[in-house]
Amino acid sequence: DTGVSQDPRHKITKRGQNVTFRCDPISEHNRLYWYRQTLGQGPEFLTYFQNEAQLEKSRLLSDRFSAERPKGSFSTLEIQRTEQGDSAMYLCASSLTYAAGELFFGEGSRLTVL
Amino acid sequence: GQQVMQIPQYQHVQEGEDFTTYCNSSTTLSNIQWYKQRPGGHPVFLIQLVKSGEVKKQKRLTFQFGEAKKNSSLHITATQTTDVGTYFCANTNAGKSTFGDGTTLTVKP
Repeated sequence: DTGVSQDPRHKITKRGQNVTFRCDPISEHNRLYWYRQTLGQGPEFLTYFQNEAQLEKSRLLSDRFSAERPKGSFSTLEIQRTEQGDSAMYLCASSLTYAAGELFFGEGSRLTVL
Repeated sequence: GQQVMQIPQYQHVQEGEDFTTYCNSSTTLSNIQWYKQRPGGHPVFLIQLVKSGEVKKQKRLTFQFGEAKKNSSLHITATQTTDVGTYFCANTNAGKSTFGDGTTLTVKP
């Protein structure tokens, strides 16, 4: 399968714990995005990378959230000191630079914070 | 991207009926994308519109971009049960896509 893959698909954690999600984009895509989606809402932008450079981070994102894409391939999204309000589906997407509007989403990582 | 608003939030139709969802913005948009998300699934890109008054068709789906580039619509003719899901519009600006909250379509067989 050459689509976007995310791991883990589900994560249940206790409040205050740290969690990390991994995303492997489509191999030839140089842009990688993280979105968050809650029930009844559209995907909410968190951050995106052009190769290994993080070009934008949402102002809504607290300092507890950090993302990396060290070699311009896979990316990780870490949430420190999780809160119940962090419970959501975390979606990764990738695209080609010249087709930035056409996002290819992964299946998502569902986070539940107890 | 610019903020986009979608109406209606929900639409229930009988199989075979038509369905339309609307996407509106208070500002001019350079582009609009449409995505479909099946229940329990992830958003899947359908199409992008960039020209004023543009109309594109994909089988039973017709996408329009308004003349003023402030609104867009997705029309499905003769809905089928396979059309169920949530349809999102989005605008992409400076590499960032901003999504509406979607219209959820249910189809009664």
